[in-house]
Amino acid sequence: AQSVTQPDIHITVSEGASLELRCNYSYGATPYLFWYVQSPGQGLQLLLKYFSGDTLVQGIKGFEAEFKRSQSSFNLRKPSVHWSDAAEYFCAVGALYGNKLVFGAGTILRVKS
Amino acid sequence: DTGVSQDPRHKITKRGQNVTFRCDPISEHNRLYWYRQTLGQGPEFLTYFQNEAQLEKSRLLSDRFSAERPKGSFSTLEIQRTEQGDSAMYLCASSTQGPPQGYFGPGTRLTVL
Repeated sequence: AQSVTQPDIHITVSEGASLELRCNYSYGATPYLFWYVQSPGQGLQLLLKYFSGDTLVQGIKGFEAEFKRSQSSFNLRKPSVHWSDAAEYFCAVGALYGNKLVFGAGTILRVKS
Repeated sequence: DTGVSQDPRHKITKRGQNVTFRCDPISEHNRLYWYRQTLGQGPEFLTYFQNEAQLEKSRLLSDRFSAERPKGSFSTLEIQRTEQGDSAMYLCASSTQGPPQGYFGPGTRLTVL
């Protein structure tokens, strides 16, 4: 069965510090991987996605993620966090020509000044 | 491209009442998805349309739920005899092929009293 695990429910980082949000997936075929951000009461905004090619992908807002097949991981990183990055982040997995995404439970990021 | 829109953004209803939500996808997108997101969880797949055909329904979609996409454009999601457990954010998404990716609507927040 497809599943996504985000081990950290909450993470707090200082503004200007680096960030890494963890994501582990279980998927029977070649995964199509996504990271989304959601501000309170809002919909989902796509940060980046990966299907093939370079395992380090760049996204919007200065985020990047690295796909590691051997670890079944797709961790999200940002070198310097801004207060406006405070939000909830979701990792998701699907199939390239599939019809649904399976989401993790999310990680809430708090940024302290 | 005006994005995916949903109406209403918020709905408060009493237990036992019926509610209907509307989703307008991006005009050239033939796939339309409904997801439900409860507090503290990631979105969960409910159902999916290819044009006007409803091709897949999750077991989460009880017989009190019905979704339509009559002309392959906008879609409605109706919940009959609402229960407090139906309180959630209902998200709509669309795509041309494959999973929803970046085209999620802002969601409809349902509160059942």
